[in-house]
Amino acid sequence: EVQLVESGGGLVQPGGSLRLSCAASGFTFSSYWLSWVRQAPGKGLEWVANMEQDGSEKYYVDSVKGRFTISRDNAKNSLYLQMNSLRAEDTAVYYCARHRDGEGAFDIWGHGTMVTVSS
Amino acid sequence: DIQMTQSPSSLSASVGDRVIITCRASQGISNYLAWHQQKPGKVPKLLIYAASTLQSGVPSRFSGSGSGTDFTLTISGLQPEDVATYYCQKYNSALRTFGQGTKVEIK
Repeated sequence: EVQLVESGGGLVQPGGSLRLSCAASGFTFSSYWLSWVRQAPGKGLEWVANMEQDGSEKYYVDSVKGRFTISRDNAKNSLYLQMNSLRAEDTAVYYCARHRDGEGAFDIWGHGTMVTVSS
Repeated sequence: DIQMTQSPSSLSASVGDRVIITCRASQGISNYLAWHQQKPGKVPKLLIYAASTLQSGVPSRFSGSGSGTDFTLTISGLQPEDVATYYCQKYNSALRTFGQGTKVEIK
């Protein structure tokens, strides 16, 4: 079964750091672009960052540039999001998503992990 | 950056009604447009990609159209299980912006 499973969420104080992980299974991980998408409580979806297959291209939404870093380990079939200098407005469910092969729409979504930034 | 604007923000319709949701891009994006469905408390699900291609397993009452800046998602015969928020998303570039969502309810 094709699957993405996020982990690493939790409660963190403003200014703190957190590292999210996304473990993939059921497909050739190294062949796909991947993204992180977040959803604040009661709000819509916001694309956060993405990375191409070998990690040489990375892109971020303006609001997280310089604070978040996306990375991947193709040997471990895992995607990561290092989040530093966290703010209250970063509170959200964070999803990882696979880009459809040869195209680009998000065809597989993880179940999400909750990040709460609060003192 | 290209902005994606959906309308309406919410709608209420009867079972069996035809429902149309629109999505407008602030610049042309060819047909690099996807529609996702998110049911309450659930994970988003891809419905349509390339503006009009139905993802495998999606009921045929869902359809998409458009190109350039104006797109529509149509539900032909609304069903109770279609209660959800629908999001358009552009992917003509690496920046994958979503629309703000359209919440669909049953009247």
